[in-house]
Amino acid sequence: QKEVEQNSGPLSVPEGAIASLNCTYSDRVSQSFFWYRQYSGKSPELIMSIYSNGDKEDGRFTAQLNKASQYVSLLIRDSQPSDSATYLCAVNGPMETSYDKVIFGPGTSLSVIP
Amino acid sequence: GAVVSQHPSWVICKSGTSVKIECRSLDFQATTMFWYRQFPKQSLMLMATSNEGSKATYEQGVEKDKFLINHASLTLSTLTVTSAHPEDSSFYICSARRRNTGSTEAFFGQGTRLTVV
Repeated sequence: QKEVEQNSGPLSVPEGAIASLNCTYSDRVSQSFFWYRQYSGKSPELIMSIYSNGDKEDGRFTAQLNKASQYVSLLIRDSQPSDSATYLCAVNGPMETSYDKVIFGPGTSLSVIP
Repeated sequence: GAVVSQHPSWVICKSGTSVKIECRSLDFQATTMFWYRQFPKQSLMLMATSNEGSKATYEQGVEKDKFLINHASLTLSTLTVTSAHPEDSSFYICSARRRNTGSTEAFFGQGTRLTVV
């Protein structure tokens, strides 16, 4: 079983719509959760980090975490063509343990259609 | 900010030669740096975790004698691909974590595209 799973997409949404990206993880010791955006040929860029259950909002982005369901999501409101990229979900285990490393999911390709 | 600089951005080398990639945290001290490899259309695969002043911890399946990692200071980690072969051609990316913040957020360098011919 893969540690971090995401729908590969591509996910297509019209400009101005809400894009919803989902991620599940298998390791219950995971404590930190991240969403990165990666444009083709570039390195990942951190968008959001979330550590506790519930929602966390930052501008047009909202991350949601449900540790009981081992599920984390990212909502992008008012999607723009510039949001078209691959979105990577990543998890990190407890610090200073053998789980203290950032593991990435396969990524979901998002295309925002003008 | 948290700027991580990786050098070189791209490199072409002959099969059998070695290539060194540098990862520097420019405006913060990094106790932990991570090295990833990414093949086209695939996600980032963690190769190793590098802690300043100690030996790197390699992920299963990654040859430590082929991918030499040195983390000699709080701002610099290097990855040397020894005796490179065409199958080592990939996008190598480092990330660094700030020292003593209690945060697991990691910031990425711009990546190094290695082509072995």
